[in-house]
Amino acid sequence: GAVVSQHPSWVICKSGTSVKIECRSLDFQATTMFWYRQFPKQSLMLMATSNEGSKATYEQGVEKDKFLINHASLTLSTLTVTSAHPEDSSFYICSASTQGFGTEAFFGQGTRLTVV
Amino acid sequence: LAKTTQPISMDSYEGQEVNITCSHNNIATNDYITWYQQFPSQGPRFIIQGYKTKVTNEVASLFIPADRKSSTLSLPRVSLSDTAVYYCLVGVTGGYNKLIFGAGTRLAVHP
Repeated sequence: GAVVSQHPSWVICKSGTSVKIECRSLDFQATTMFWYRQFPKQSLMLMATSNEGSKATYEQGVEKDKFLINHASLTLSTLTVTSAHPEDSSFYICSASTQGFGTEAFFGQGTRLTVV
Repeated sequence: LAKTTQPISMDSYEGQEVNITCSHNNIATNDYITWYQQFPSQGPRFIIQGYKTKVTNEVASLFIPADRKSSTLSLPRVSLSDTAVYYCLVGVTGGYNKLIFGAGTRLAVHP
């Protein structure tokens, strides 16, 4: 089946620095990818929809200037957490679907971000 | 996007059948019902998807009544490795359609 891969799997950064997380669709093209964050013992919260070649669409309450999304190709979307703070520590997950009505979404393995 | 309601948690024992029911009273005509499984520190994994009646694959069955206002995920003969969070999602899937996760059901399988 289709595979979505994230990199890195985990990252530790200092407060104030920026971190980039990559999401790749390995064997299919994804014009749309989605970014979620998940805090411990909580569900996935949709942050934004990443659209290839255009601006991302952010969910209400998500700061677009803090969470920069770039979807420069049909197989790669990146999420950059800018000026990270300890409260940004979370599990970030991306997903993508193949084209077509009713197709399933595939999720990356997630990236554990710890800001110290 | 239809809201879903699932039990917060369930307990079972190895070898038993587990049924998790999800309510989705406001499901729309074009909506599919999709179930995902998530282990700690991993991304969700697709289990099964259906539109109506019954769907079965190698890991689970999905029962959907005629009014489609609820659905039941059935896991036959669970093992310890089935301990996970199970999410019921309702909506149009594929392409640009976003998936909104509810709280999920935390299933604990005991020896």
